[in-house]
Amino acid sequence: GESVGLHLPTLSVQEGDNSIINCAYSNSASDYFIWYKQESGKGPQFIIDIRSNMDKRQGQRVTVLLNKTVKHLSLQIAATQPGDSAVYFCAEDLGSQGNLIFGKGTKLSVKP
Amino acid sequence: DAGVIQSPRHEVTEMGQEVTLRCKPISGHNSLFWYRQTMMRGLELLIYFNNNVPIDDSGMPEDRFSAKMPNASFSTLKIQPSEPRDSAVYFCASRDIGFTQYFGPGTRLTVL
Repeated sequence: GESVGLHLPTLSVQEGDNSIINCAYSNSASDYFIWYKQESGKGPQFIIDIRSNMDKRQGQRVTVLLNKTVKHLSLQIAATQPGDSAVYFCAEDLGSQGNLIFGKGTKLSVKP
Repeated sequence: DAGVIQSPRHEVTEMGQEVTLRCKPISGHNSLFWYRQTMMRGLELLIYFNNNVPIDDSGMPEDRFSAKMPNASFSTLKIQPSEPRDSAVYFCASRDIGFTQYFGPGTRLTVL
């Protein structure tokens, strides 16, 4: 179930370390952002979201940071586990019709 | 909650044949999205519906592709005739009044 693009960025981390996955979004008018996780052979799974009126939001082991000045989004995963190995996509919502624009994705590999 | 249901999970067909992919959204969700995922182009939005009405089909590749949503609990994506370049994983996603889209497991289509 490959879901990667031809030049998919790859991040390799040691189990237990923290991971940071970055995403540059395209439209300054976007007002909602989501991170999805896609494991091999499965559909994208919602992880965490953030509205444009926030710059940080925390979930369980995950934190999303939003920097609107430079149109940058990041996903931080604490104490990365082998089960976190997947492709991670950021998505932005332009707010007009509810369309999500997906990034190309980053492949996270966790070494035991 | 059963989540978004897609069928079939795998489809292998010969060039020129008609292919019909099916989707049952999450009960109560009023928006439905069809995506295609390939290694070369990543995740692409094909079409989406709000309250069973097609809103944006600009992502549909060509007239060989058509989608319907006869009621709130069922949608189809049809390719007629199919071509090898249509080989991809097709995802259906649904959304309620919020922004988060929930994806199905996908249909892996192979056109020989």
